[in-house]
Amino acid sequence: AAGVIQSPRHLIKEKRETATLKCYPIPRHDTVYWYQQGPGQDPQFLISFYEKMQSDKGSIPDRFSAQQFSDYHSELNMSSLELGDSALYFCASSLGAGGRTDTQYFGPGTRLTVL
Amino acid sequence: AQSVTQLGSHVSVSEGALVLLRCNYSSSVPPYLFWYVQYPNQGLQLLLKYTSAATLVKGINGFEAEFKKSETSFHLTKPSAHMSDAAEYVCAVSERGNKLVFGAGTILRVKS
Repeated sequence: AAGVIQSPRHLIKEKRETATLKCYPIPRHDTVYWYQQGPGQDPQFLISFYEKMQSDKGSIPDRFSAQQFSDYHSELNMSSLELGDSALYFCASSLGAGGRTDTQYFGPGTRLTVL
Repeated sequence: AQSVTQLGSHVSVSEGALVLLRCNYSSSVPPYLFWYVQYPNQGLQLLLKYTSAATLVKGINGFEAEFKKSETSFHLTKPSAHMSDAAEYVCAVSERGNKLVFGAGTILRVKS
């Protein structure tokens, strides 16, 4: 069965550079979530989209922006990168309007390293 | 706000022994609880979820979990561990808007 695809899997950037992470949800899934997991930390919710509209926002820095496109894939744009942005970024998708019982299916993550 | 606590960052069991991974939650609304498993270089895979139906939930790979409101717990068990069960197990609770709040995870090691 098709799963959530994230690209790239690994990304190395310098401080103050920009990065774009991509997420391709499971076909027919209309909701996308982004999570950030720092070293030794629990994953933290960043932002979510339903039907191309932002549905919820967590602890996402102002330097980050995201959107969901007409084909439901999503991109997380990160500017003015800082060392503290080094983390594993997970994307998840679900079918539905983000009800609390909807199952989220996770991608393998993108590991971002900022030097 | 909801929170999840997983006791024991590492658990080691012998093959064939009982697996018990602990998860306690804190929630101001009726909780919806999830257990995920993560293998190296893979994404989180759903094992099972509790959504206020039966309190004993059966999942994949022989795992099950019991929701105990009085103890605010949702512990994960498996009667007999297999080597292939070695992985990281993460408990999560669903907040408003379905954003998940995760526990710190428990790494399960299975000894032969």
